[in-house]
Amino acid sequence: KQEVTQIPAALSVPEGENLVLNCSFTDSAIYNLQWFRQDPGKGLTSLLLIQSSQREQTSGRLNASLDKSSGRSTLYIAASQPGDSATYLCAVRGGGSQGNLIFGKGTKLSVKP
Amino acid sequence: NAGVTQTPKFRILKIGQSMTLQCTQDMNHNYMYWYRQDPGMGLKLIYYSVGAGITDKGEVPNGYNVSRSTTEDFPLRLELAAPSQTSVYFCASSGTKGAGNTIYFGEGSWLTVV
Repeated sequence: KQEVTQIPAALSVPEGENLVLNCSFTDSAIYNLQWFRQDPGKGLTSLLLIQSSQREQTSGRLNASLDKSSGRSTLYIAASQPGDSATYLCAVRGGGSQGNLIFGKGTKLSVKP
Repeated sequence: NAGVTQTPKFRILKIGQSMTLQCTQDMNHNYMYWYRQDPGMGLKLIYYSVGAGITDKGEVPNGYNVSRSTTEDFPLRLELAAPSQTSVYFCASSGTKGAGNTIYFGEGSWLTVV
């Protein structure tokens, strides 16, 4: 059974700092991995999707990497801003008939001005 | 540019009542999903469908039912609501399982059972 773990559960950093969020998964047979952002009381915003054959994806100040063989992904946020404060969720899309996303519990990020 | 639409956004139910969460997508997607999210947790799969007329259970199906009579609609039925069903519910859809295909989410439905 696929399990997704995110470390740390919470992170507080001063504005301007570069930071890394970690995600690990137990089964490397995945189609892709996605990072989402969730603001309090809101839905999910897709940030980056990395296909299983890819190593990384970039969007603005965000860079996500994928090492499928070791079951790891990182989300790098450069020059963090208070507006980056949110919960970041990692999810893998596995094989099988379901084709659903399996989520970690998220990392709650707080960027202090 | 509707995407995945869920209604209602907020609802308070009394214990033992029943209700249906509606979900519609306009992208002609075959795959549709219902997830629930409890505080501090990731999303867990309740039910899914791979096409009209085909549904199956996910990780946490107890207390729920679904139907998929059309490609567009995937309603989630809560029978005999219990406080344990207080949660945020997300509907999602996807065209295929392919590596490049993302899953699109609705904005969520906040349900409280009292």
